[in-house]
Amino acid sequence: KAGVTQTPRYLIKTRGQQVTLSCSPISGHRSVSWYQQTPGQGLQFLFEYFSETQRNKGNFPGRFSGRQFSNSRSEMNVSTLELGDSALYLCASSSKPGAEQFFGPGTRLTVL
Amino acid sequence: AQSVSQHNHHVILSEAASLELGCNYSYGGTVNLFWYVQYPGQHLQLLLKYFSGDPLVKGIKGFEAEFIKSKFSFNLRKPSVQWSDTAEYFCAVNGGGGSTLGRLYFGRGTQLTVWP
Repeated sequence: KAGVTQTPRYLIKTRGQQVTLSCSPISGHRSVSWYQQTPGQGLQFLFEYFSETQRNKGNFPGRFSGRQFSNSRSEMNVSTLELGDSALYLCASSSKPGAEQFFGPGTRLTVL
Repeated sequence: AQSVSQHNHHVILSEAASLELGCNYSYGGTVNLFWYVQYPGQHLQLLLKYFSGDPLVKGIKGFEAEFIKSKFSFNLRKPSVQWSDTAEYFCAVNGGGGSTLGRLYFGRGTQLTVWP
């Protein structure tokens, strides 16, 4: 089985721009979660989707949003980028909420 | 909200030494517990998991962890480490129920360096 894939792997943007990151879960997995990883804050939960519905959202501003499609693929969007948004964004998939999560390689976002 | 503490930020060991990494969580209800490992240049990989049953769980590469409910702990152990175990280790706990079930709370990670 192919693992979780994320595109793009690297992204450089400037302040004020917006960005869309994509995640394809493991085949058959219907739950997708997103996390932000930074040296200062560690791994922080952004949101979780299951069957196209957002089940839970972390403590991030409204500039961070996401969605899930009927094929379980997910996207997250960050609008009006700030320098502090520079991070590794990780997507994880699981068969259902609460099951073990399998992580993708991440998208490294750099905001200049 | 759940919080997860990993006591050691950086652990340095020689090959063949025994390893124990501490992890404590705050939520007192039913939780699922995980250890993840991130090797240099690689993505997070699941090392082992605990959902219920035998509190001593075995994972990949000779790792094991013990869930002690009374101490809110889930410590990771390995009897004899190898140079290839050099990595960062993360303890994670899910939210406990309802809409938070799919949300993982992570500790800050422990960097393990093993000298050959």
